[in-house]
Amino acid sequence: TQLLEQSPQFLSIQEGENLTVYCNSSSVFSSLQWYRQEPGEGPVLLVTVVTGGEVKKLKRLTFQFGDARKDSSLHITAAQPGDTGLYLCAGGDLGNEKLTFGTGTRLTIIP
Amino acid sequence: DAMVIQNPRYQVTQFGKPVTLSCSQTLNHNVMYWYQQKSSQAPKLLFHYYDKDFNNEADTPDNFQSRRPNTSFCFLDIRSPGLGDAAMYLCATSRGVGDSVNIYGYTFGSGTRLTVV
Repeated sequence: TQLLEQSPQFLSIQEGENLTVYCNSSSVFSSLQWYRQEPGEGPVLLVTVVTGGEVKKLKRLTFQFGDARKDSSLHITAAQPGDTGLYLCAGGDLGNEKLTFGTGTRLTIIP
Repeated sequence: DAMVIQNPRYQVTQFGKPVTLSCSQTLNHNVMYWYQQKSSQAPKLLFHYYDKDFNNEADTPDNFQSRRPNTSFCFLDIRSPGLGDAAMYLCATSRGVGDSVNIYGYTFGSGTRLTVV
């Protein structure tokens, strides 16, 4: 069974601070995706990384896929209240229509 | 815009009274999934349809059933809801073919919040 552990589970920081969320597994994945879920809504895909060592940037968010494709990180610079939400990583396998979701990180940005 | 629509957004049902949640999609995706999510936890996959093929997760209780009458619609039936079934229910879709899930991921609906009284 593939597992994705996210850390921290909860994070509450002041607006303007930087933060990093981690997603770790003992299994290799073909891709790693990050979703953000706002309260009362469904998750929305932020980014997909598919190559070991790949780095993608989305405005103030930087996503990295580990060299061995077993882990990923999400770094947010100068956090804003709009970044508040549940962040979920999800691992994909080639030819498999099911994703493996991580345990989630609940992020709260305090104005 | 192409999307995944869940109805209703909020559903209150009585303990033991059957309830049906619906999901429709305009994306023409092959795969439709049903997830259960309890507060601030990761979504838990209940089952999914790949076209007409139903795939149940081993730990999904028999109380949960699903129907997919056509490509666009999928239903979640809870035969006898218990208090422990109160949760957000999320429907998601993907193309499923080839490497599309790896690249494009899932498209989720906004969810149905189920309350059992």
